[in-house]
Amino acid sequence: AQSVTQLDSQVPVFEEAPVELRCNYSSSVSVYLFWYVQYPNQGLQLLLKYLSGSTLVKGINGFEAEFNKSQTSFHLRKPSVHISDTAEYFCAVSLTIVAGTALIFGKGTTLSVSS
Amino acid sequence: GAVVSQHPSRVICKSGTSVKIECRSLDFQATTMFWYRQFPKQSLMLMATSNEGSKATYEQGVEKDKFLINHASLTLSTLTVTSAHPEDSSFYICSARPYMDGYTFGSGTRLTVV
Repeated sequence: AQSVTQLDSQVPVFEEAPVELRCNYSSSVSVYLFWYVQYPNQGLQLLLKYLSGSTLVKGINGFEAEFNKSQTSFHLRKPSVHISDTAEYFCAVSLTIVAGTALIFGKGTTLSVSS
Repeated sequence: GAVVSQHPSRVICKSGTSVKIECRSLDFQATTMFWYRQFPKQSLMLMATSNEGSKATYEQGVEKDKFLINHASLTLSTLTVTSAHPEDSSFYICSARPYMDGYTFGSGTRLTVV
């Protein structure tokens, strides 16, 4: 079985500080990993994804994530956050289900950036 | 490209009535679409997978008779919440997979049952 654990439910940080949002997954097979951002009452926007190849993945808005197979982690990082980065962030894994393949999400991390 | 349009964005209905939510793929054909439900401050929970021309596959614990899913064409899937009750109030999001390595999401529907 595959699952996704986001270790921090809330991460408060000051503007221009670095941030790391942690994500661990459990899987016995190769996985596709994703990070999405959700602003209030909106759908999901893809930040980045890992499919294969380089373990360091760069995404939009200055975010990046590193796939670590030995630690089964896919932590999201940004060296300097902005107020506008305040949102909900979801880590997800592509999971094979009865009907095919679907995305299964972690519980989310609320990033709050203050000045 | 690969846009999924979801309507309505918000809907308020009376308890006992039914509500239909539409999810359309605008520039690609979606043989499979996914329906998620999100409670406030919580994650997205996969409800069901709809397949064009066949019955939807529901996740464990999801009531098939309450959440009717129809995928009659390659660009449209609908979710109908039947006999809605206040506990059905939630944020519903649809998704499709236009490419092997990517998923696209609708903008979501906020359902409030009063």
